Amino acid sequence: QQQVKQSPQSLIVQKGGISIINCAYENTAFDYFPWYQQFPGKGPALLIAIRPDVSEKKEGRFTISFNKSAKQFSLHIMDSQPGDSATYFCAASGRSDYKLSFGAGTTVTVRA
Amino acid sequence: DAGITQSPRHKVTETGTPVTLRCHQTENHRYMYWYRQDPGHGLRLIHYSYGVKDTDKGEVSDGYSVSRSKTEDFLLTLESATSSQTSVYFCAIARGDTGELFFGEGSRLTVL
Repeated sequence: QQQVKQSPQSLIVQKGGISIINCAYENTAFDYFPWYQQFPGKGPALLIAIRPDVSEKKEGRFTISFNKSAKQFSLHIMDSQPGDSATYFCAASGRSDYKLSFGAGTTVTVRA
Repeated sequence: DAGITQSPRHKVTETGTPVTLRCHQTENHRYMYWYRQDPGHGLRLIHYSYGVKDTDKGEVSDGYSVSRSKTEDFLLTLESATSSQTSVYFCAIARGDTGELFFGEGSRLTVL
């Protein structure tokens, strides 16, 4: 079964709005939590990542929030733009071999 | 650009035929991975390699084999393709010791 559960499956947001995607995991050995962005016909591209020693990381309009006790993390896309329309994947891995376990993905559509 | 080239990018084949997908990297990274992407499942790890001739199974390895005879090339073989192996296959490398995975552009395989 999937080691990382992601929701929602899809979301639609107006331009300028906030997109929020949530992920949960069970394996306490995970210590690296990246988010990937994928456009149709392309490979996933690393967007932003966090390690469990911090509760939040921000890069531009993208923020990861991390709750270690709840084993949950989320991606917030502020001031969403049409160019942000893509599929987003959360993932997690342990330290030894970098094997990423992925969530099922969220398709984000930003309406102009 | 992580210096990853996948070939072929598109292939249509028939059930029962052997298929080999190639991943070539130009940056001499130790870790390489093969994932498959299917709707509703995100990306799932098939096999990975942690050095020349060193490989291990991922979560969906049945029906697949891999080989890595030199650092730059990681081959994925379907000995006898089945329709359930119709998918998009992504190769990835782990850059440095950060655990950051970078993906190729994908190989779309259709098994009729």
